[in-house]
Amino acid sequence: DTGVSQDPRHKITKRGQNVTFRCDPISEHNRLYWYRQTLGQGPEFLTYFQNEAQLEKSRLLSDRFSAERPKGSFSTLEIQRTEQGDSAMYLCASSRTTTGGWYEQYFGPGTRLTVT
Amino acid sequence: TQLLEQSPQFLSIQEGENLTVYCNSSSVFSSLQWYRQEPGEGPVLLVTVVTGGEVKKLKRLTFQFGDARKDSSLHITAAQPGDTGLYLCAGVISNFGNEKLTFGTGTRLTIIP
Repeated sequence: DTGVSQDPRHKITKRGQNVTFRCDPISEHNRLYWYRQTLGQGPEFLTYFQNEAQLEKSRLLSDRFSAERPKGSFSTLEIQRTEQGDSAMYLCASSRTTTGGWYEQYFGPGTRLTVT
Repeated sequence: TQLLEQSPQFLSIQEGENLTVYCNSSSVFSSLQWYRQEPGEGPVLLVTVVTGGEVKKLKRLTFQFGDARKDSSLHITAAQPGDTGLYLCAGVISNFGNEKLTFGTGTRLTIIP
């Protein structure tokens, strides 16, 4: 079990540029989630996939944000025309149903985005 | 409005002392998870509780889910410097469909050697 991986770990970009982050979930997990965490706060839900289907998006996810999971494996999160308010840690998590019938989410190390 | 309130927000105690962190909500959760997060890293899952009144132990950590499944506590016995970190509770409101986690505000714990 190699865990959830995210790339890059850190990204510094200038305002107005586009950025893309990648998440590789634990291989047998069919659900994948994106969260955003700002300093001093707990993570906030952005969107989630079951296999390749994007089933829910938060109101936090403006039109500048798009997420894909084309083959039901890895996922990408793209932010277009970045703004300083986008600076945050972007976390990916994956899950599968436990024997008890609920889902446990396992997080990656995150991508720290700084918009200058 | 924060759905899950944690208290205290900050806690600094001496090595060897005991402590309790609380997680409270007005909503009922079908399951609740506790995570620990180190600076610059993602949250690491410690435990999941699903049954009202459930108590789970993980070495020196004891987790309890309230009878009404609206609150939870984390008790650490004989705290050690390695326990230092940000402790987050996170609840799932419904098991039907979306399993998105709603996180608490976090408790930043520092254990002084």
